[in-house]
Amino acid sequence: RKEVEQDPGPFNVPEGATVAFNCTYSNSASQSFFWYRQDCRKEPKLLMSVYSSGNEDGRFTAQLNRASQYISLLIRDSKLSDSATYLCVVRNYGGSQGNLIFGKGTKLSVKP
Amino acid sequence: GAVVSQHPSRVICKSGTSVKIECRSLDFQATTMFWYRQFPKQSLMLMATSNEGSKATYEQGVEKDKFLINHASLTLSTLTVTSAHPEDSSFYICSAINRGTGELFFGEGSRLTVL
Repeated sequence: RKEVEQDPGPFNVPEGATVAFNCTYSNSASQSFFWYRQDCRKEPKLLMSVYSSGNEDGRFTAQLNRASQYISLLIRDSKLSDSATYLCVVRNYGGSQGNLIFGKGTKLSVKP
Repeated sequence: GAVVSQHPSRVICKSGTSVKIECRSLDFQATTMFWYRQFPKQSLMLMATSNEGSKATYEQGVEKDKFLINHASLTLSTLTVTSAHPEDSSFYICSAINRGTGELFFGEGSRLTVL
C-alpha cells in the first residue's frame, strides 16, 4: 500500500462549483499534514496545513480524521485560477527535520 | 519573490555528460535541504537529504555515485547528475528548511533533458 494515496482525477468542474478531494495515509504515526498546490511544470506551493480540529482559509477547508487516517480538502466557489494539481502531503518524523511524503496529486480543472 | 533559488531552471545535455544543479537559500540558513525528482504525471520522490557539513543520506534505489550531493555551506546545496542518460531526464526540485523557523520552502525546480 502506498504511503499517501489520492484519487488522481481529473476533476472537471464548472466555475462556482464545490469540489472535495480525499487522501488516505498508511503510517498511523504520521504527525503533520498539508495540502500543496502544484501548477504545471512548477514547484509545489503550500496551500494550507491540516489540523486535527479542521481549519478553513477563505474558500478552502481542510479536515483530518486520524482514526481513519484520512485527510480532505474542500474548495467552495471554484475559480478558474484554482485549476492545478493538489498534493496531499504527510510528514512522518518529529520536529522540523523530517521529510515530506507526497501523494501523486489530484488534478482539478475549473471550466468557465 | 523566491526564498529558495534553484539554477539552472532548464538544462539540455548530451548523454554521458555531467550536470550540476544548485539550490540556494536566499535569506535564511538551511542546515537541511532535500532533493526530489518528479517524472511526468508522477509524485515527487525524495532522492536524498542533504545535511550541511556531512554526507547526504540517500533514499533506497538512488545511486549515490551517480547523484552527487554537496552541502558545503548553510545556504547552498548542489546536485550533480554524473554520466547522464536519457532516463535521467526529469524535473528535479530542492527544498530547504529554515534553520530558525522550521518552515520548508521549495526551489523553482530544474528541468533536465538528456539527449
